[in-house]
Amino acid sequence: NAGVTQTPKFRVLKTGQSMTLLCAQDMNHEYMYWYRQDPGMGLRLIHYSVGEGTTAKGEVPDGYNVSRLKKQNFLLGLESAAPSQTSVYFCASRDDRGFTDTQYFGPGTRLTVL
Amino acid sequence: SQQGEEDPQALSIQEGENATMNCSYKTSINNLQWYRQNSGRGLVHLILIRSNEREKHSGRLRVTLDTSKKSSSLLITASRAADTASYFCATQSGAGSYQLTFGKGTKLSVIP
Repeated sequence: NAGVTQTPKFRVLKTGQSMTLLCAQDMNHEYMYWYRQDPGMGLRLIHYSVGEGTTAKGEVPDGYNVSRLKKQNFLLGLESAAPSQTSVYFCASRDDRGFTDTQYFGPGTRLTVL
Repeated sequence: SQQGEEDPQALSIQEGENATMNCSYKTSINNLQWYRQNSGRGLVHLILIRSNEREKHSGRLRVTLDTSKKSSSLLITASRAADTASYFCATQSGAGSYQLTFGKGTKLSVIP
């Protein structure tokens, strides 16, 4: 049981390049989330999904797109990277069984846009 | 926008002492959660307290919630060097998406 995994762990992009971050969970959770964390800040929600085939915008969605084609995977795409997207990106899935309401986080992807 | 705001921003204590962190929030909530983040790692869920609860315990952790003041506190008793981390409160409001809104965190340093 690997929990939540993220690929890649580190990435450096040039302005205008594109990339996709992959999040995978093996806990059969319906809900999945993408956050970004900037220095001295808490996490801010980018996009989320309440089940396979669904996506919705969070607090800071501009410049990002997402897809949830399979229940276990949640992809975050940057079509044209900008320096303002330099951040650490975390994926999470939510345990909605019973009353735990816990989010399980991946280890993060550190992205630098030059 | 940040819903929760932790106080203090940074806290340094000696091993064995108690650490108290506070969180204030702005709107009504369904529950409030505390997470820990070790340097360079993902967040780990510590404890959840629902809006109709006033206090919860888990091991060396004690959380209180005062909905009239829109505030919560996290107490770590008998701290250890391994407790060194950033601690975040997160609030869940509304229904459906179960989004969490995180504060900026308290950075705790426990000196051996």
